[in-house]
Amino acid sequence: EPEVTQTPSHQVTQMGQEVILRCVPISNHLYFYWYRQILGQKVEFLVSFYNNEISEKSEIFDDQFSVERPDGSNFTLKIRSTKLEDSAMYFCASSEAGFEQFFGPGTRLTVL
Amino acid sequence: TQLLEQSPQFLSIQEGENLTVYCNSSSVFSSLQWYRQEPGEGPVLLVTVVTGGEVKKLKRLTFQFGDARKDSSLHITAAQPGDTGLYLCAGDDTDKLIFGTGTRLQVFP
Repeated sequence: EPEVTQTPSHQVTQMGQEVILRCVPISNHLYFYWYRQILGQKVEFLVSFYNNEISEKSEIFDDQFSVERPDGSNFTLKIRSTKLEDSAMYFCASSEAGFEQFFGPGTRLTVL
Repeated sequence: TQLLEQSPQFLSIQEGENLTVYCNSSSVFSSLQWYRQEPGEGPVLLVTVVTGGEVKKLKRLTFQFGDARKDSSLHITAAQPGDTGLYLCAGDDTDKLIFGTGTRLQVFP
């Protein structure tokens, strides 16, 4: 069964460093998303992406964040200068028609 | 800001018992999805409900969408230890999902 994959599973970085989280959505899906979940809290929407542009972004998704689909398979989330409060699980999701969303296993980001 | 409140927050029951989890909002959603999440993993889609009043069954799990499409419930019949996990409802808000607060279920053998 097709699934969303994410790498790395765990990323440890120093405050102020740049990180890139990678996702490979399900192959025939056209809508892509990033969410995050701080430990013990709700899953929060960050950004949605369709047709090579951002469809919607949350207040969390400030200038330090960017997304890119560099080729036909990968979807990346870049955090330019990480902060302690960026520590969280980051989930990529994809959808065929903007309806049901299927989530990847997540990347645990730890900012020291 | 749209909010989805789930109740109860925690539920501990014995194997074989029945339970119901509620997901409530003051907002109308075009659809609502239920996920299950294991520790350290991503949410896994269980079901999507779209029509007001819709009922969907997935083995021992029964999902219902409220007539006004503002609330939903998940009923589990004869719970098993394998049902243990975090259950999340999520409302479809056009280009994003709004997640509920979650219900953590523990089923003891």
